[in-house]
Amino acid sequence: AQRVTQPEKLLSVFKGAPVELKCNYSYSGSPELFWYVQYSRQRLQLLLRHISRESIKGFTADLNKGETSFHLKKPFAQEEDSAMYYCALSGMGGGSNYKLTFGKGTLLTVNP
Amino acid sequence: SAVISQKPSRDICQRGTSLTIQCQVDSQVTMMFWYRQQPGQSLTLIATANQGSEATYESGFVIDKFPISRPNLTFSTLTVSNMSPEDSSIYLCSVSLSRTSTDTQYFGPGTRLTVL
Repeated sequence: AQRVTQPEKLLSVFKGAPVELKCNYSYSGSPELFWYVQYSRQRLQLLLRHISRESIKGFTADLNKGETSFHLKKPFAQEEDSAMYYCALSGMGGGSNYKLTFGKGTLLTVNP
Repeated sequence: SAVISQKPSRDICQRGTSLTIQCQVDSQVTMMFWYRQQPGQSLTLIATANQGSEATYESGFVIDKFPISRPNLTFSTLTVSNMSPEDSSIYLCSVSLSRTSTDTQYFGPGTRLTVL
């Protein structure tokens, strides 16, 4: 079974401070991991995916298969980063592996 | 990318009635999905809407309760049947532009349903 755990429901940091949103997963095959973000009054959208190995809006996330983690990090948080962040997992290769499983989300608040 | 609209954006319904939610995409897509987000919970996949065939439902969701239509490559509907207060949720439509949904999924704005 696929499972995604985001241990922090709420995370509050000050502007300019580093931020790390934790995500752990459980999956027996090769996973594909995503971070989705939902800003206030906007729809859910992709922030980044591990396969792209990109930095988006200063955020990075590294897949650690040994620790089964995909933590989202940013060295200097900005107020506009305040949003709900969801970690999600899918199996690779299509077919019945495609299902996206979401964590419960972490609400990040960046204070001025 | 894809632009997705949903109708209605919100509704308040009486117990025992049914509501049909529409999802419209601005381009032809292979894969469309329906999710539910109950209050304080994460998104849960209800089913995959397949064009030209029956939807594929996830464990815990059945066609009689959540019938889905997918008449073409740009449109789908989800009906929430015989509603109870436990069906109060946000219902979201999403699409994937590739044949494997390990590609990015694009989400609609959601339909907020309250059942009294």
